[in-house]
Amino acid sequence: GQSLEQPSEVTAVEGAIVQINCTYQTSGFYGLSWYQQHDGGAPTFLSYNALDGLEETGRFSSFLSRSDSYGYLLLQELQMKDSASYFCATSGGYQKVTFGTGTKLQVIP
Amino acid sequence: GAGVSQSPSNKVTEKGKDVELRCDPISGHTALYWYRQSLGQGLEFLIYFQGNSAPDKSGLPSDRFSAERTGGSVSTLTIQRTQQEDSAVYLCASSGGLAGPREQYFGPGTRLTVT
Repeated sequence: GQSLEQPSEVTAVEGAIVQINCTYQTSGFYGLSWYQQHDGGAPTFLSYNALDGLEETGRFSSFLSRSDSYGYLLLQELQMKDSASYFCATSGGYQKVTFGTGTKLQVIP
Repeated sequence: GAGVSQSPSNKVTEKGKDVELRCDPISGHTALYWYRQSLGQGLEFLIYFQGNSAPDKSGLPSDRFSAERTGGSVSTLTIQRTQQEDSAVYLCASSGGLAGPREQYFGPGTRLTVT
């Protein structure tokens, strides 16, 4: 089976940097995706890592270490609108996708 | 182009009634997923369709739940004899092309309330 663990809540100050961690136990691991979900909204895709290292997309970066079964999402220059839940997810090729437990990020002034 | 659409957006039903939830995926996307999300919780996988292959039904919580996908496009999730614990937001997602399952596009969801 597959399981992904994330911290349940994180609080950070506007303008700061925050890291949201994800550890996973999977079979047939192909890569790690990240999604953002605002309250009452649908999840939206943020980034994907298939290989070890850092992928940067604007203020958001995502990191993967396959040997450690670990990844993280890094949000820089935090804005109030970044307050949302963030989910990591694994994909095993053309197989079902398993989502992590989700991290609720609260950005405070 | 158009995104994933779901209908209805909200559904209130009485315990014991059957409900049907509809999902229109992005045109050309071969994979379609159904998830359930309870308030403040994560996404619970329900069922996955890939092209013309047999669906992966391993996430369906009971035999009251079923889903079909007609013509490789529109999908319907049916819940028979609804129970109060079925109350949740039901999300549909599709993916396809080079990105495969790693990048899913979600619909706005159907909020189901069983009274």
